[in-house]
Amino acid sequence: EAQVTQNPRYLITVTGKKLTVTCSQNMNHEYMSWYRQDPGLGLRQIYYSMNVEVTDKGDVPEGYKVSRKEKRNFPLILESPSPNQTSLYFCASKRAGTEAFFGQGTRLTVV
Amino acid sequence: GESVGLHLPTLSVQEGDNSIINCAYSNSASDYFIWYKQESGKGPQFIIDIRSNMDKRQGQRVTVLLNKTVKHLSLQIAATQPGDSAVYFCAENRASGAGSYQLTFGKGTKLSVIP
Repeated sequence: EAQVTQNPRYLITVTGKKLTVTCSQNMNHEYMSWYRQDPGLGLRQIYYSMNVEVTDKGDVPEGYKVSRKEKRNFPLILESPSPNQTSLYFCASKRAGTEAFFGQGTRLTVV
Repeated sequence: GESVGLHLPTLSVQEGDNSIINCAYSNSASDYFIWYKQESGKGPQFIIDIRSNMDKRQGQRVTVLLNKTVKHLSLQIAATQPGDSAVYFCAENRASGAGSYQLTFGKGTKLSVIP
């Protein structure tokens, strides 16, 4: 089954404690991206990657890092999480000129 | 900057009625448009798409209309059911070339179906 898998689905952490949210896709898509979703603000892009070892900033990259060492994986790293990074996060993958497939989301709470 | 937006943040319809959700876009270079449905606690799911060489595309109970003259996109849901209750997003993209990977999303319309 074609899918994008995120882990964990839910995470509560404390300010400053480094964390990683994993994302994996099994569709051999070149393009992967991370979004955060906040009430009233819709989906905002954090980072994206157009292929292995190629990453670029989206609209709200501050406080986040990503890596793309393999085509199927695109982890999101928060080196020092802060409460304003409490949000619902989605990973997505796609091919050029086609729809994006989304993961089920990771609800992150930073206290 | 250029953006994709929605005319109404919320829409309530009676079960069995038709629903129409609207979207305006401003990027003239966009030639591929997508509608997504997001149910509570889930990721956005693809509903239907349309390319700029078409004015209308139909799926199962859904129809997307594209008016390139006024840069307007709409999603019509026939015989709306309680399971249609969700937030609906439109998104724009380029079908090929530069920008063909990037999606720009509208903020969403919340559809509530009244039984």
